[in-house]
Amino acid sequence: DGGITQSPKYLFRKEGQNVTLSCEQNLNHDAMYWYRQDPGQGLRLIYYSQIVNDFQKGDIAEGYSVSREKKESFPLTVTSAQKNPTAFYLCASSNFGGGTNEQYFGPGTRLTVT
Amino acid sequence: QQQVKQSPQSLIVQKGGISIINCAYENTAFDYFPWYQQFPGKGPALLIAIRPDVSEKKEGRFTISFNKSAKQFSLHIMDSQPGDSATYFCAASILGNQFYFGTGTSLTVIP
Repeated sequence: DGGITQSPKYLFRKEGQNVTLSCEQNLNHDAMYWYRQDPGQGLRLIYYSQIVNDFQKGDIAEGYSVSREKKESFPLTVTSAQKNPTAFYLCASSNFGGGTNEQYFGPGTRLTVT
Repeated sequence: QQQVKQSPQSLIVQKGGISIINCAYENTAFDYFPWYQQFPGKGPALLIAIRPDVSEKKEGRFTISFNKSAKQFSLHIMDSQPGDSATYFCAASILGNQFYFGTGTSLTVIP
């Protein structure tokens, strides 16, 4: 069963704690992305990676960190430096080049920080 | 600034009617324009996509109209059904690199 998995679905943390969100894909896609979704603001890009061991900042990277040690995995850490971390986080993957740019999303993780 | 502008923010349509959502962009380098459908608590799902070398693409009840000169594209949902009630996002990308999303349209189809 191919696709993108994110875990956990719901996550609760106390303010000041770092938290890591998991994203795994078995689509053999080169590129992976992390987005944050807030009501009325659409999807905002946090980080993306086009190849293993390389990643780029998106529009709202401050307070977040990522790693890409394996092609199929792209975990996101929400650090205590992120001022407003409560949000719905979406992971996506795509293949670019070869005429197809389709991007597929995981089911999301809802993070609540109190 | 918003790379892709989407309207309306919300839309209410009667069952059987046509739902129309519009998007506009500025960057003429964009070469791929997808539409996504998202149900509450779920990730967005790719619905239909178009490239700028065609003016229209149809898949079932869903049609994208693309106007390259006006830098606009729209999603038409024909014979709208209550099950179509969801949030719809347009997006644009260059060579499948970064994707830029509109702010979303919440569609409600009334039975």
